[in-house]
Parts: sequence; C-alpha cells; structure tokens
Amino acid sequence: DAGITQSPRHKVTETGTPVTLRCHQTENHRYMYWYRQDPGHGLRLIHYSYGVKDTDKGEVSDGYSVSRSKTEDFLLTLESATSSQTSVYFCAISTGGQETQYFGPGTRLLVL
Amino acid sequence: SQQGEEDPQALSIQEGENATMNCSYKTSINNLQWYRQNSGRGLVHLILIRSNEREKHSGRLRVTLDTSKKSSSLLITASRAADTASYFCATAVGSARQLTFGSGTQLTVLP
Repeated sequence: DAGITQSPRHKVTETGTPVTLRCHQTENHRYMYWYRQDPGHGLRLIHYSYGVKDTDKGEVSDGYSVSRSKTEDFLLTLESATSSQTSVYFCAISTGGQETQYFGPGTRLLVL
Repeated sequence: SQQGEEDPQALSIQEGENATMNCSYKTSINNLQWYRQNSGRGLVHLILIRSNEREKHSGRLRVTLDTSKKSSSLLITASRAADTASYFCATAVGSARQLTFGSGTQLTVLP
C-alpha cells in the first residue's frame, strides 16, 4: 500500500453536512491525488497536489475543496454533502521519479 | 470526459485460458498504464508502456500499444482464479502527472 492510509474507511452522513476525508502517507512523496469511483465511470480525478500548499483541480472538482499543509497529509472536504457525492473515494500518491500511482484502500461515503 | 475506454466491459473465462482486454483512447499520450482492482480494494499498478514502445512483458502479462489506432491491449496468459478483478487502463498526457482512467473490464476466471 506504499504507506498510504485513508480515514475514515466508511462514513454515513446527511445531506448538507460538511465532511472531511484524510489521506496520510509515510514516505514524503510529492504528488498526491483524490479520485472518486462510481459504477460505469472508472476513477475520476477530483483534485491533486504537487507539494505543500500547491493544489489544482481535476475533472470533477465542483463541490470539493482540498488542503495540504504538511507533506504527509492531503485532506478532501465536501463543504455541504449532497447525495450525488455518494461514492468511493481513493487517495493516491506518485513518487518524484515515477509516473505510476499507488493507491490507498479507499473510503466509502454514503450521503443520505 | 474519459480518455480510455475498455472493451469488453465484462469477460468470463476458464482457468488456464488467456484473457485479452482492450483499451482505446482519444488524444496523443505520453504513456499508458494498466491497473488491477480486486473487489473492495484500491488499484494496483501492473505495467506501464510508453508512447514509443509497441510491446511490453511482465510475467504473465503482455501489453501492446498501437499509437496509430490509439489503442492498447492487455493479455493475461494462463489465467488463474486469483486474476479475477477489474482491470483499468489509464493514460498520461504530456508532462502532467495526471492519469485519466477508463471504466474498466471486469474479469472473472472460473476454476
């Protein structure tokens, strides 16, 4: 798992509430990513980071924000959760010299 | 929008047979990667092929890339029940460290 953990692993929340998902890595990799996975869509990039306080939007960034104040942590926040954000969220990292990505175990989020 | 599209969406074979999955993409790429996902788990990188390569092998895996047709194939030889998983292609464009994933092929290997 390349030292990647995600928390929580499962969460049920109600529409309109804020939710923060955490991705933690232990190996000081520069690049970190948040994806969501939905049936029939594969993985879609939400946001990514290329360093502390350096982030950029991905394909499906609306309704999500991110922060990276430390190399090891990349936080994904749903400011006001909606049912359409029910999904499985994956964090990934990429090392400086490689182009492949290593994925965390995922977080299952259900928004009621 | 998705860059890669896998074909077929689902594939069921007997143990020992070969499995072939295809991926088509839309724009010029820097490299193409294949990942495997076991049920309920994160994706695991299998193999990367660069735009100037035509074929690559890794154990029982063989990947081909045809940039003129914007397509790639993943061949798993002598499949095992443990190969049962979803397989995704992902494309990297230019120097950006972003990947665009296809929707995947669900492979079932029957014992």
